[in-house]
Formats: sequence, structure tokens, C-alpha cells
Amino acid sequence: AQRVTQPEKLLSVFKGAPVELKCNYSYSGSPELFWYVQYSRQRLQLLLRHISRESIKGFTADLNKGETSFHLKKPFAQEEDSAMYYCALRTGGGADGLTFGKGTHLIIQP
Amino acid sequence: DTAVSQTPKYLVTQMGNDKSIKCEQNLGHDTMYWYKQDSKKFLKIMFSYNNKELIINETVPNRFSPKSPDKAHLNLHINSLELGDSAVYFCASSQQGGSNTEAFFGQGTRLTVV
Repeated sequence: AQRVTQPEKLLSVFKGAPVELKCNYSYSGSPELFWYVQYSRQRLQLLLRHISRESIKGFTADLNKGETSFHLKKPFAQEEDSAMYYCALRTGGGADGLTFGKGTHLIIQP
Repeated sequence: DTAVSQTPKYLVTQMGNDKSIKCEQNLGHDTMYWYKQDSKKFLKIMFSYNNKELIINETVPNRFSPKSPDKAHLNLHINSLELGDSAVYFCASSQQGGSNTEAFFGQGTRLTVV
């Protein structure tokens, strides 16, 4: 079965500092990887997916199949980045839904 | 317009009651889901459903049952509610295949069982 691991439950950085949220996955096939963000008491929103290789709100994530990782990075953190971040994996056509990591609570200190 | 909407937003009920949460999507997606977010913010798939197939997470108690009156709706019925059912329940939808398979989420229903 597939699994997503986010080793950091909480990450606190100062405004302007670089941010890296770690995500590792285990799956024998070729998964789709996503990052979702949840601001305080709001719905989950898609931030990035590895297929599109785009940058959203300054965040980027590169799929490293050798290390089975999909770390989320931003060079300069902003206070509005404070939120819960979930790494997620989808297999096959997606009918099984998303497998989420346990999430990382990112706090940006002023 | 809201893409995926759930009602109610908050639900407080007593143990043993039966309750339903409604979900509607106006995106024309063919697949809908229910996720549970527990007190530790851990998100887990409960059900995945399209007009052909229901996939049930084997860890979900059979007190939980999804009901889909049509392609745009997937309601969640919960019988004999227990304290451990307290959580935030998220509905989501996506389109299978194609170039955009992004899952869109509802705003969540915070269920509190007392």
C-alpha cells in the first residue's frame, strides 16, 4: 500500500527565511504527487502538483524519484504562508482518492 | 459560485443519534469523495464514488454509508453516532482521466458528538 510521510509536524521560521517542507512517499508504481494547503479553518486548496511543474505563491516542488521525495520549497517566507501543508499521493486513475501525509503546520514568525 | 459545498458547516449531536451531511458539486466531475480529518489534523479517505463504483476504505465502520442520488451529490449518513466520530468531514470531487484531475474540496463539516 502507498504511504506519504511528512516528518515535521511543526515548522517555525522567520519571515524572509527559506522554507522547506519535507515529503517522502512509498509506492511501487508511478504516482501523482500534490501539495495542498489549508489556511486556518478553511477548505483544502491545491497548491502544486508535480505534473504541472509550476510555481504558485513562490512555492516550488520537484519530484525526485530516486529519493522518493517531493519536498516543498520557498526561498523567502511570508507571514501569509502560515498554514497546514499536506503532501498527497494519488495512484492510477485516482478512483481511490488521495493518500495524505499527516501534515506540517508552518508558522512564519514576524 | 462555490464548486463543492457541504451542509451543515457545524453539527452537534448526541451519542446514538443518526445524522447526515450533504455534499454537492457543480463542476461536472464524475467522482466524489469523503475524507475525515481527526483532532490531530490527519486526513484520511473514507469513500470514493462515481456512477460505476464505490470504493470503501476498509477501516471505515459500516455505520457510515455514502448515498448518491445523482452524479452531483454524495451524502454521508452516519448511524448510531459515537464520541470518536467527532471530526471534520470533507467532501471532494475530481474528474477521472484527462489533463486536470485536481481534487476540489468543500469547506468541511465539523461534527461534534456529545
